[in-house]
Amino acid sequence: GESVGLHLPTLSVQEGDNSIINCAYSNSASDYFIWYKQESGKGPQFIIDIRSNMDKRQGQRVTVLLNKTVKHLSLQIAATQPGDSAVYFCAERLQEYGNKLVFGAGTILRVKS
Amino acid sequence: KAGVTQTPRYLIKTRGQQVTLSCSPISGHRSVSWYQQTPGQGLQFLFEYFSETQRNKGNFPGRFSGRQFSNSRSEMNVSTLELGDSALYLCASSSVGGNGGYTFGSGTRLTVV
Repeated sequence: GESVGLHLPTLSVQEGDNSIINCAYSNSASDYFIWYKQESGKGPQFIIDIRSNMDKRQGQRVTVLLNKTVKHLSLQIAATQPGDSAVYFCAERLQEYGNKLVFGAGTILRVKS
Repeated sequence: KAGVTQTPRYLIKTRGQQVTLSCSPISGHRSVSWYQQTPGQGLQFLFEYFSETQRNKGNFPGRFSGRQFSNSRSEMNVSTLELGDSALYLCASSSVGGNGGYTFGSGTRLTVV
């Protein structure tokens, strides 16, 4: 399959610090990207999205940056809180495949109080 | 508005049996996608239905099938279950075009024994 999640990288941050989670996507023709947060026992929760004609988008405490040159996506979380602890996934959509999303492996974010 | 509803939440089946999972999308959403999530392979796309038609299919064997009804509710079926089919099965719904994000349900945890 396209998404392999064997060993998830872990990012540990202190409460109140900023977090940056990175993702390399696979297809230069992908037109839409989404970040999801998944807590234990729950489905992925939408955080923020960005279209390929943008390079930055801000939400509440979160910012997504898109670098199409190197096929890189990042999620910045400001003033990280214990409730932000979860697994974070990036997903890309290749429009010619309709609504099919290809997910990255995920990153575990641990927030230390 | 109500979110994506998946039933049942948990299921235990024996090898060789078949199983049917259900997904009710957000009201007004016509696209329903299914994903399989395992620790080893991460989130993998199974198929997408739009207006009762399968629009995309992932790289899974023919034992995995689905359908969508006129009210956009969707079911997926797995026949001749194998131990490796144990996973969290997630359903996501989206509006036409999908640019508003893809909302996931909480999933069905299938255990095959």
